Amino acid sequence: DTEVTQTPKHLVMGMTNKKSLKCEQHMGHRAMYWYKQKAKKPPELMFVYSYEKLSINESVPSRFSPECPNSSLLNLHLHALQPEDSALYLCASSQAEDYEQYFGPGTRLTVT
Amino acid sequence: AQKITQTQPGMFVQEKEAVTLDCTYDTSDPSYGLFWYKQPSSGEMIFLIYQGSYDQQNATEGRYSLNFQKARKSANLVISASQLGDSAMYFCAMRSYNNNDMRFGAGTRLTVKP
Repeated sequence: DTEVTQTPKHLVMGMTNKKSLKCEQHMGHRAMYWYKQKAKKPPELMFVYSYEKLSINESVPSRFSPECPNSSLLNLHLHALQPEDSALYLCASSQAEDYEQYFGPGTRLTVT
Repeated sequence: AQKITQTQPGMFVQEKEAVTLDCTYDTSDPSYGLFWYKQPSSGEMIFLIYQGSYDQQNATEGRYSLNFQKARKSANLVISASQLGDSAMYFCAMRSYNNNDMRFGAGTRLTVKP
């Protein structure tokens, strides 16, 4: 089973809202990732968690706040976003940091 | 800094024929991994194939093979016997094991014609 699930599939939020994206995997993977993908562009790495600890933060604005409550769950808390933050947010996991990553279907976020 | 280059924004191939998608990379790290992903219009990134920088043989996975030329810093994806379902965006990616940072190329949109 190479399934990574993400909820919600679609999210529309105003600039003053607080919302969270959720990602879950049950493959026993110890590394989890958040990516942002704008239309017709490649994914850009935002955060990496390895063994539930944040190992990479690619200079992402503080209005994005990741959280890894346990080895199966990864959240991305959103607050005071801007319209330019509208994108597809992809979660991925891998056995460890140097293994191939398996992606979820993504959350398509629109900030109004 | 790492850089991945995919010079083909779009490619067309006839069904049942083979196609090669180009990828070149630049890194000063001796240890790295190269990956290819497929992204259909639904948005999900699907892992296809992996090649480690120290692997002596080219990776193969079913109809996918990776033509790895280390001296030229290229890692081209070859898809044999193309199918209509192969129509998608294809991304080449590299991870340096020095910093575990994963970078993607700009992608190539493949269209398989019946």
